[in-house]
Amino acid sequence: QSALTQPASVSGSPGQSITISCTGTSSDVGGYNYVSWYQQHPGKAPKLMISDVSNRPSGVSNRFSGSKSGNTASLTISGLQAEDEADYYCISYTSSTRVAFGGGTKLTVL
Amino acid sequence: QVQLEQSGSELKKPGASVKVSCKASGYTFTTYVMHWVRQAPGQGLEWVGWINTNTGNPTFAQGFTGRFVFSLDTSVSTAYLQISSLKAEDTAVYYCTRESWDGYNLDHWGQGTLVTVSS
Repeated sequence: QSALTQPASVSGSPGQSITISCTGTSSDVGGYNYVSWYQQHPGKAPKLMISDVSNRPSGVSNRFSGSKSGNTASLTISGLQAEDEADYYCISYTSSTRVAFGGGTKLTVL
Repeated sequence: QVQLEQSGSELKKPGASVKVSCKASGYTFTTYVMHWVRQAPGQGLEWVGWINTNTGNPTFAQGFTGRFVFSLDTSVSTAYLQISSLKAEDTAVYYCTRESWDGYNLDHWGQGTLVTVSS
């Protein structure tokens, strides 16, 4: 059982926007601005897409954005494209063990 | 550029041991924390733990104590994950991943090493 809760799956049509949530506690997501998001395509290593809640690393499309409210962080992908179909994971700093992982969300582009 | 190059796939029998390597290049190895992450077939990412590459001090996630060992060879900028008394449920891809200097983000990942445990 993962420390952070994500929906198992989300879907959207090309051009639409989707949001993936990541819910934790005040000891992780809610207590620090250290939530990051990762994209993983089948058979590939994860890739950092959002750092520190809302920062986009160099080279990441501005269609990807992150936010946080209370104990829940969110990843929003706008203008969905077929290439966005992948698994997405959130990770947060936690005072107890350094990092906590979400269980992952499968994004399907219809 | 930063690279993490992992060793190749392994096929082991139950009860055996395996040692996975992760060679870093493109940055000062001892300046960045290294994490290890496991992904069983068809499953999500599972955090194994992390090692302070400056002190060698390891921290393991719950469920990964006892059979899992982190080690370093700083002379060749390489981190290692050793798993002993292998079980079928250890079958997974194991990733090493570097933590960024400015926060708890995993900014670079190795390509993964598939460890298969089967009789």
